[in-house]
Amino acid sequence: GENVEQHPSTLSVQEGDSAVIKCTYSDSASNYFPWYKQELGKRPQLIIDIRSNVGEKKDQRIAVTLNKTAKHFSLHITETQPEDSAVYFCAASQDAGNMLTFGGGTRLMVKP
Amino acid sequence: NAGVMQNPRHLVRRRGQEARLRCSPMKGHSHVYWYRQLPEEGLKFMVYLQKENIIDESGMPKERFSAEFPKEGPSILRIQQVVRGDSAAYFCASSQTSGNTGELFFGEGSRLTVL
Repeated sequence: GENVEQHPSTLSVQEGDSAVIKCTYSDSASNYFPWYKQELGKRPQLIIDIRSNVGEKKDQRIAVTLNKTAKHFSLHITETQPEDSAVYFCAASQDAGNMLTFGGGTRLMVKP
Repeated sequence: NAGVMQNPRHLVRRRGQEARLRCSPMKGHSHVYWYRQLPEEGLKFMVYLQKENIIDESGMPKERFSAEFPKEGPSILRIQQVVRGDSAAYFCASSQTSGNTGELFFGEGSRLTVL
């Protein structure tokens, strides 16, 4: 089955700096890679996703890159703000259902 | 649209008791997924259901755990004879279609504490 590794497990940045979170996956058949943000005690919420037919996708301060050859993908947050502080999860799945395999999460702390 | 509704939000059980967690998917969604999240860990897939069918239960423990999604009513995750290790947040998610053509929406989770 799929295995998703995520690092770092914790990341502390100064407000305004950029944050990068990286994930690797094992199953070359995976073709959908979403990123979820989970605030303390809340539900995971989709913030951006990328499919295997593109290498990069951007939405305002958030961007995701995908390298299918190397089987890794990354989340980039620019101009971080305190409200970006949360746990971020990467995930991967194939076409058959949305049975996402999640990474272990990254706790991002943005210091004002 | 009320979103994915889970109840109870918090549940306390003593060892050996049964826990029943309910999930009503978003309106129009026929695919339901259950995930378990241990403290300070990621989300682990448990089971994928459509109405009256279990599609994939590869993440479910073989004993004590069961899930259903009846024709009428919410999906239910049932844990019999709970043990302390079952303490976790259980998240339900739903999607409109199978395949990654649609976003997976999560509920707020049910937090089970086993004393």
